[in-house]
Amino acid sequence: NAGVTQTPKFRILKIGQSMTLQCTQDMNHNYMYWYRQDPGMGLKLIYYSVGAGITDKGEVPNGYNVSRSTTEDFPLRLELAAPSQTSVYFCASSYGEGRSNSPLHFGNGTRLTVT
Amino acid sequence: QKEVEQNSGPLSVPEGAIASLNCTYSDRGSQSFFWYRQYSGKSPELIMSIYSNGDKEDGRFTAQLNKASQYVSLLIRDSQPSDSATYLCAVKAAGNKLTFGGGTRVLVKP
Repeated sequence: NAGVTQTPKFRILKIGQSMTLQCTQDMNHNYMYWYRQDPGMGLKLIYYSVGAGITDKGEVPNGYNVSRSTTEDFPLRLELAAPSQTSVYFCASSYGEGRSNSPLHFGNGTRLTVT
Repeated sequence: QKEVEQNSGPLSVPEGAIASLNCTYSDRGSQSFFWYRQYSGKSPELIMSIYSNGDKEDGRFTAQLNKASQYVSLLIRDSQPSDSATYLCAVKAAGNKLTFGGGTRVLVKP
């Protein structure tokens, strides 16, 4: 059982470049999330989705876009990368409402550096 | 005021002692509370969840919840060097959106 899979594991971008962070889960979870974690800090929610075709902003959505065309996949798009987006990005999923108090399952993270 | 607050630490405890971690939250409507452990360079992993006032024990870990005072704590008994990590408190209010605290770094010294 693969769980939540994120690719790539590492990436270096130049300022102004774009990229997509991939996330896929095989647990048939309805809810998926993107968090970023800056060094020595907690996780901040970027975007989340409660099901295919539905997405919503979290605490820090500026500079990012998401889509959810299938239950399994939740890619995060960075347009015009900036140094402030240097961070570790975690994708997570959960069953969501109706499955009481389901915890988040995290991917292994993508370490992104923008120079 | 931050929604979920934790002391950043580091909390240094000798091996075999009890580590006590605290977390306060601002949303009185919060329903579910989680403790995640995160080793350096790794993703968070769930170690405890608690939903009702009182204590919940799981092995060497005990979570305590007091909704009236809006705090949740985690006790680690018989601390081991392998417990050295950052512990993240997470709180769920309406919907299934989890808000995380900044984490408390724990250092267990042999």
